[in-house]
Amino acid sequence: DTGVSQDPRHKITKRGQNVTFRCDPISEHNRLYWYRQTLGQGPEFLTYFQNEAQLEKSRLLSDRFSAERPKGSFSTLEIQRTEQGDSAMYLCASSLANGPGNTIYFGEGSWLTVV
Amino acid sequence: GNSVTQMEGPVTLSEEAFLTINCTYTATGYPSLFWYVQYPGEGLQLLLKATKADDKGSNKGFEATYRKETTSFHLEKGSVQVSDSAVYFCALTNSGGSNYKLTFGKGTLLTVNP
Repeated sequence: DTGVSQDPRHKITKRGQNVTFRCDPISEHNRLYWYRQTLGQGPEFLTYFQNEAQLEKSRLLSDRFSAERPKGSFSTLEIQRTEQGDSAMYLCASSLANGPGNTIYFGEGSWLTVV
Repeated sequence: GNSVTQMEGPVTLSEEAFLTINCTYTATGYPSLFWYVQYPGEGLQLLLKATKADDKGSNKGFEATYRKETTSFHLEKGSVQVSDSAVYFCALTNSGGSNYKLTFGKGTLLTVNP
């Protein structure tokens, strides 16, 4: 069990540029989640996948955001035409889909700074 | 909808002091409750959880009891250490539906001084 890994850990980009984050979940986990965390706040749900299917998207996920999990393993989160308000930590998490009491394991996050 | 309310921080304690961080929730049905901890510059780690009323979750000297009657899940530790300094998040997953996504409180920053 190598844990949830995210890449890159830090990204500084200019406003208007596109950025992509990658997440590798724990290998046997069929659920994968993306959250966003801003300074001084708790993480907020963005979207989740079961296997390769994206089953729910939050209203926070504007049209500039797109997430994929093409083979039901790793996932990418792309932000197009970044804005300063996108600056945050993007957290990936994974779990089994056995029930609401299942532990959701988080990666260390990808920090995005838009300048 | 679901929501979690935590006591506002920051909380500053001396080593070996008693810790309580209050957490109350609003949810439909019977949620599962969690405490996560975030050390500086890191992601979230599960600290403990409870999946039904009156369950007590415990780990590393921390405890929390699922109180349905007061919709609370307060975190306690009898004797804190400097290494416990971190941000603590209370969270829940709803029992209804199948998305099992977490809803978090805003977090409570704990600083423990030697």
